[in-house]
Amino acid sequence: EDQVTQSPEALRLQEGESSSLNCSYTVSGLRGLFWYRQDPGKGPEFLFTLYSAGEEKEKERLKATLTKKESFLHITAPKPEDSATYLCAVQAGNNDMRFGAGTRLTVKP
Amino acid sequence: GAGVSQSPSNKVTEKGKDVELRCDPISGHTALYWYRQSLGQGLEFLIYFQGNSAPDKSGLPSDRFSAERTGGSVSTLTIQRTQQEDSAVYLCASSLVTGNYEQYFGPGTRLTVT
Repeated sequence: EDQVTQSPEALRLQEGESSSLNCSYTVSGLRGLFWYRQDPGKGPEFLFTLYSAGEEKEKERLKATLTKKESFLHITAPKPEDSATYLCAVQAGNNDMRFGAGTRLTVKP
Repeated sequence: GAGVSQSPSNKVTEKGKDVELRCDPISGHTALYWYRQSLGQGLEFLIYFQGNSAPDKSGLPSDRFSAERTGGSVSTLTIQRTQQEDSAVYLCASSLVTGNYEQYFGPGTRLTVT
């Protein structure tokens, strides 16, 4: 069965303290791995799509990487406005996206 | 441009009543998804529509749940005889499927069954 596991469940950082969020997956026929950001009371906001192992994508302080078993979302010098829940999702050969439970990030000033 | 919209934003209903949740996708997006998000949980896939093809209903948790998409655009998710465990945020997303699977989400409908 396809599975997506995110760790840690929650992460508290000081402003400027870089760290990484992990998304490990077991899926056959990966078509894409997606990262989303979700603020309280809002729908998820698309960040990145990664399609193959070795691929990297960057946006401002965020960088996403992909291997055959996991993806990392690296946050460099985070700011309080980066506080949110970060969701990882995988799309396999079927039509549905399978989401992880998310990592709730808090960045303290 | 306009994003995905959902209505109502909040719905409180009594156990046993039927509810309808509406989703207006981004214009031109052929794929539409419904998800359920319970408190502190990840998103649970419910149903997927792609153009005029038969929907993928594999995620619907019971036969009390159904959805339709009229004219390839607006979608309605119906929950019959609501139960307390149906309380959750129901999210809709749309995407351009061809060569691009990025999904754009609406703000969700928070359903509370009392």
